[in-house]
Amino acid sequence: KQEVTQIPAALSVPEGENLVLNCSFTDSAIYNLQWFRQDPGKGLTSLLLIQSSQREQTSGRLNASLDKSSGRSTLYIAASQPGDSATYLCAVYRGGVDSGAGSYQLTFGKGTKLSVIP
Amino acid sequence: NAGVTQTPKFRILKIGQSMTLQCTQDMNHNYMYWYRQDPGMGLKLIYYSVGAGITDKGEVPNGYNVSRSTTEDFPLRLELAAPSQTSVYFCASRYGVNEQFFGPGTRLTVL
Repeated sequence: KQEVTQIPAALSVPEGENLVLNCSFTDSAIYNLQWFRQDPGKGLTSLLLIQSSQREQTSGRLNASLDKSSGRSTLYIAASQPGDSATYLCAVYRGGVDSGAGSYQLTFGKGTKLSVIP
Repeated sequence: NAGVTQTPKFRILKIGQSMTLQCTQDMNHNYMYWYRQDPGMGLKLIYYSVGAGITDKGEVPNGYNVSRSTTEDFPLRLELAAPSQTSVYFCASRYGVNEQFFGPGTRLTVL
């Protein structure tokens, strides 16, 4: 069964600092990995999607990497701002090739709660 | 595109009442999902659908039912509401192995 772990559970940094959020997963048979942001009381907003054949994706100040063989992904946030304060979740997708348990579903980590202090 | 829309945004139910949470997507996505999110517990999959007329149970299906008669709509039915169903419910959709998108959520309280 796929398990996704995010460390740390919470992180507090001063404004302007560069930071890295970590995500690890136990089963490397994935199609892709997606990073989300969730603000308090809101839904999940997709940040980046990395296909299994890719090593990284960039969007503005965000850069996500994927090392499928080691079961790890990182989300790098450059020059952090107070508006980046939110919970960040990673999720892996295995598709439905073998229709086994967890097919067609995202498996989520529990998230890292980020606070950027002005 | 409106993306994934959910109604209502908030609802209070009494124990034993029933209701339907509505979810619609206008992106022609084949896969649709219902999750619940409880504080500190992460997202849990209730039901999902890989296309019109096809649904399957997720991790926590008890007390819920779904149907998918069209590509666009995936309603979640709660029968005999219980306090344990107090949660925030999210609908989501995706096309194949592409990006998954979420709705804004429905906050449900059962008293």
